[in-house]
Amino acid sequence: QQPVQSPQAVILREGEDAVINCSSSKALYSVHWYRQKHGEAPVFLMILLKGGEQKGHEKISASFNEKKQQSSLYLTASQLSYSGTYFCGTEVMGTSYDKVIFGPGTSLSVIP
Amino acid sequence: NAGVTQTPKFQVLKTGQSMTLQCAQDMNHNSMYWYRQDPGMGLRLIYYSASEGTTDKGEVPNGYNVSRLNKREFSLRLESAAPSQTSVYFCASSPRTSWNEQFFGPGTRLTVL
Repeated sequence: QQPVQSPQAVILREGEDAVINCSSSKALYSVHWYRQKHGEAPVFLMILLKGGEQKGHEKISASFNEKKQQSSLYLTASQLSYSGTYFCGTEVMGTSYDKVIFGPGTSLSVIP
Repeated sequence: NAGVTQTPKFQVLKTGQSMTLQCAQDMNHNSMYWYRQDPGMGLRLIYYSASEGTTDKGEVPNGYNVSRLNKREFSLRLESAAPSQTSVYFCASSPRTSWNEQFFGPGTRLTVL
């Protein structure tokens, strides 16, 4: 039931773009994105809801394809501060209390 | 506002010992969660509490028990610790379960020898 994330790891130079993908085998109610810096707690980035609603940080861009049960996080003009591990979390349709199940994470390193 | 606090920050146990991890939030949130984080595995949900008075199993509940003591506090107990429970444990809270941002505590690093 854990969502799949790709790539597992990516290295970027400052200013480059990256896309992180998240997919599920089950119909989804929503997709959540979090970033965790080394040694710190995960921090919320964005939630995308079935039907098109979303909320989160204005500088973060993401998409949610309900039919394909996939979401993508777009990081443009990357900065050193973007480095960290990115987790997607999915809420599966039909489960009680709609708990969030997180994927294994994508490690992003931005170098000068 | 302290947000979500966890105690202790670090703990070393011997196999078979028991301990309780404490979590408290001051944001008046209804829902609280316990996760464990292991390298390459992401965040795995152990137990959660959708509201005061309710608890439910997550992905990996075996070997753990929880208590939602009141709206603010949600504790995680290891009755008989095993080396496989060596991990970083995060507590989180949200206004409610669905469609809501989760706020995470700083984590507890637990080692079981």
